[in-house]
Amino acid sequence: KAGVTQTPRYLIKTRGQQVTLSCSPISGHRSVSWYQQTPGQGLQFLFEYFSETQRNKGNFPGRFSGRQFSNSRSEMNVSTLELGDSALYLCASSGGDGQETQYFGPGTRLLVL
Amino acid sequence: AQKVTQAQTEISVVEKEDVTLDCVYETRDTTYYLFWYKQPPSGELVFLIRRNSFDEQNEISGRYSWNFQKSTSSFNFTITASQVVDSAVYFCALTYTGNQFYFGTGTSLTVIP
Repeated sequence: KAGVTQTPRYLIKTRGQQVTLSCSPISGHRSVSWYQQTPGQGLQFLFEYFSETQRNKGNFPGRFSGRQFSNSRSEMNVSTLELGDSALYLCASSGGDGQETQYFGPGTRLLVL
Repeated sequence: AQKVTQAQTEISVVEKEDVTLDCVYETRDTTYYLFWYKQPPSGELVFLIRRNSFDEQNEISGRYSWNFQKSTSSFNFTITASQVVDSAVYFCALTYTGNQFYFGTGTSLTVIP
């Protein structure tokens, strides 16, 4: 099976812009989670989607949002970018029905200038 | 509250030495899952092992072994005869819902040839 894929892999934006990141889960997986990784804060949970519904949400401002499509692909959006949003954004997928192992994609490195 | 502590920030060993990465967790739940992931410089988190709270058997997989002790809330990871390819950041993680993971801050392992 193909693994989790994320696009784009690298992105450079300027403050105030918005960005959309995409994640395609492993085939058959219905849960997609998003994480932000920074040197200072480590790995922080953003949100999790299952069957097009947000099931869990981390402690991030409303500028961070996401959605999931009927084919389980997910997007996350960050509006009004700030310098502190520069990070590696990781997507993970799992079965979602008690299959607890999350499998991660390669991540999208976002640099905000 | 769920919390994972990896007290070792950085470890350096000479190739072929054994090394143990420590992980201590906190949770009030009786059912939970513990994980170890490896993050090489490329950025993708690679799943290594999952353990549920009811299974305290230690596990060995090649040069890797894991020691799970509920009495001390620890889930330590040992690499035997380390190799340069083991150089990476290793994360311990905890989940009780299967949807939201709590990660430790990671241990950066450098294996010196």
